[in-house]
Amino acid sequence: AAGVIQSPRHLIKEKRETATLKCYPIPRHDTVYWYQQGPGQDPQFLISFYEKMQSDKGSIPDRFSAQQFSDYHSELNMSSLELGDSALYFCASSPSINYEQYFGPGTRLTVT
Amino acid sequence: DAKTTQPPSMDCAEGRAANLPCNHSTISGNEYVYWYRQIHSQGPQYIIHGLKNNETNEMASLIITEDRKSSTLILPHATLRDTAVYYCIVRVASGAGGTSYGKLTFGQGTILTVHP
Repeated sequence: AAGVIQSPRHLIKEKRETATLKCYPIPRHDTVYWYQQGPGQDPQFLISFYEKMQSDKGSIPDRFSAQQFSDYHSELNMSSLELGDSALYFCASSPSINYEQYFGPGTRLTVT
Repeated sequence: DAKTTQPPSMDCAEGRAANLPCNHSTISGNEYVYWYRQIHSQGPQYIIHGLKNNETNEMASLIITEDRKSSTLILPHATLRDTAVYYCIVRVASGAGGTSYGKLTFGQGTILTVHP
């Protein structure tokens, strides 16, 4: 069965640079969630989209923005990167809001 | 969403049943109990969810007490590949209303170690 695809899988950036993470949900899933997991921490919700509209927002820095496109893929844009942004970033998709979520393999972002 | 409490760690012998408890004494009537697990640095994986009846699928069974204040996830025949962090999350489900919009709030889960 098709799974959630995230790209790139690994990304190394320097401080103050920008990064774009991409997420391709499971076919026919219209809801996408983004989570951040720092070293030794539990995943933390960042933002979600339902039918291409932002549906909820968590502890996402103002330097980050995201959107969901007409084909339902989503991109997380991160600017003015800081060392503390180094983390695993997971995308999850679900058939709709409040259904079970299926997670991608994550993007490991390292900021040097 | 209701808060959950889980033991920080548990051990289990390979081939034996693993029983992971979760307390959610403040659960609301429209909130479901979800279980996810995360194998080291992989994306969390959905396991099972339930409202008040016991549930079973190919991965696990979920036993919810009658008062819904606690539940137990059962892995009937644990293998080494079941070693992971297990998260119990309480959340409204589809059609149940509320304003959570589906986000998962991961708290401290249980580190399950399955040993030979």
